[in-house]
Amino acid sequence: GENVEQHPSTLSVQEGDSAVIKCTYSDSASNYFPWYKQELGKRPQLIIDIRSNVGEKKDQRIAVTLNKTAKHFSLHITETQPEDSAVYFCAASNGNQFYFGTGTSLTVIP
Amino acid sequence: EAGVTQFPSHSVIEKGQTVTLRCDPISGHDNLYWYRRVMGKEIKFLLHFVKESKQDESGMPNNRFLAERTGGTYSTLKVQPAELEDSGVYFCASSQARFKAFFGQGTRLTVV
Repeated sequence: GENVEQHPSTLSVQEGDSAVIKCTYSDSASNYFPWYKQELGKRPQLIIDIRSNVGEKKDQRIAVTLNKTAKHFSLHITETQPEDSAVYFCAASNGNQFYFGTGTSLTVIP
Repeated sequence: EAGVTQFPSHSVIEKGQTVTLRCDPISGHDNLYWYRRVMGKEIKFLLHFVKESKQDESGMPNNRFLAERTGGTYSTLKVQPAELEDSGVYFCASSQARFKAFFGQGTRLTVV
């Protein structure tokens, strides 16, 4: 089955700096890669996703890159703000179930 | 548009008791998933419904867990009898196509 690894588990950045979270996957059949943000006590929210026919996708301060050959994808947050502080989960899907990473706790220091 | 809703938000039960969790997906979403997060680890897949049919239940830990989705609308997840290791946050998610899954707020289950 699929195995998704996510690094780092915790990340602290100064406000205004960039944050990068990396994930790897093992199943070449995975073709959809969403990222979820979970604020304390709230539900995981889909913030950006990418399909395997695209190498990069950007939405304002958030971008995701995908390297199918290397089987890794990354989340990039630029100009971080305190409200970006949350746990971020990556996931990989082959159209059936979603396989999640272990999460990255991001803290943006004002 | 109403999101995915789960009931209850918290449940504390004694070992050996029964608990039933409920999930109401977004209206029109045929795909419904149950996930569990234990002790800050990854969100682990439990099972996947397409309408009322179980598409994949390979993540169900054992036969103490029973999921149903009668009529293809809301779903229930029953744990009977509950054990200490069943404690965790149970998430439900739904999707229209098999992408862009939307999550509920989760049910925090504590077995004491």
